[in-house]
Amino acid sequence: DGGITQSPKYLFRKEGQNVTLSCEQNLNHDAMYWYRQDPGQGLRLIYYSQIVNDFQKGDIAEGYSVSREKKESFPLTVTSAQKNPTAFYLCASSSDPGQDYEQYFGPGTRLTVT
Amino acid sequence: DQQVKQNSPSLSVQEGRISILNCDYTNSMFDYFLWYKKYPAEGPTFLISISSIKDKNEDGRFTVFLNKSAKHLSLHIVPSQPGDSAVYFCENAGNMLTFGGGTRLMVKP
Repeated sequence: DGGITQSPKYLFRKEGQNVTLSCEQNLNHDAMYWYRQDPGQGLRLIYYSQIVNDFQKGDIAEGYSVSREKKESFPLTVTSAQKNPTAFYLCASSSDPGQDYEQYFGPGTRLTVT
Repeated sequence: DQQVKQNSPSLSVQEGRISILNCDYTNSMFDYFLWYKKYPAEGPTFLISISSIKDKNEDGRFTVFLNKSAKHLSLHIVPSQPGDSAVYFCENAGNMLTFGGGTRLMVKP
């Protein structure tokens, strides 16, 4: 079964700690994306990667970092510099960002920072 | 400056009737739009898309209309079913993967 997984589903952290959210896909997709969703709002793009070892900032990259060392994996680190880290985080992938625009989303990770 | 807008945060429709969800956009490098459906605590799933070479795309009960001159698109669901109750997002794939704020559709039995 091909798909995209995120873990954990719920994550709790103390303020000032960095936290890394996992995203793995076995769809052989080149492109991967991270979004955050806040209550009553749409999805906002944090970072995206169109190929291994390359990634680009999205609209709200400040306070976040990513890596793309493997095609299957695109972990997101929420650093202590992120002012409002509590949100629902969604990872997505797509096969060819230039031709196939459909994204496949993971189930999401709800991060709560107190 | 929100470049993709879904001006109705919620919509309530009776089962069997038509649901119409709207989306307006401003800047776009190219006109290619997607609709996603999202249930609570889950990731969105792709529903239907439309590109600028068409003004209509139909898939079963779902039809998307694109009016390029008005920079407006709409998703029609006919007939609406209770299982369609979810949040619907439109995405402008031609503009930094920008999503609208979503419209919560509630279909009453």
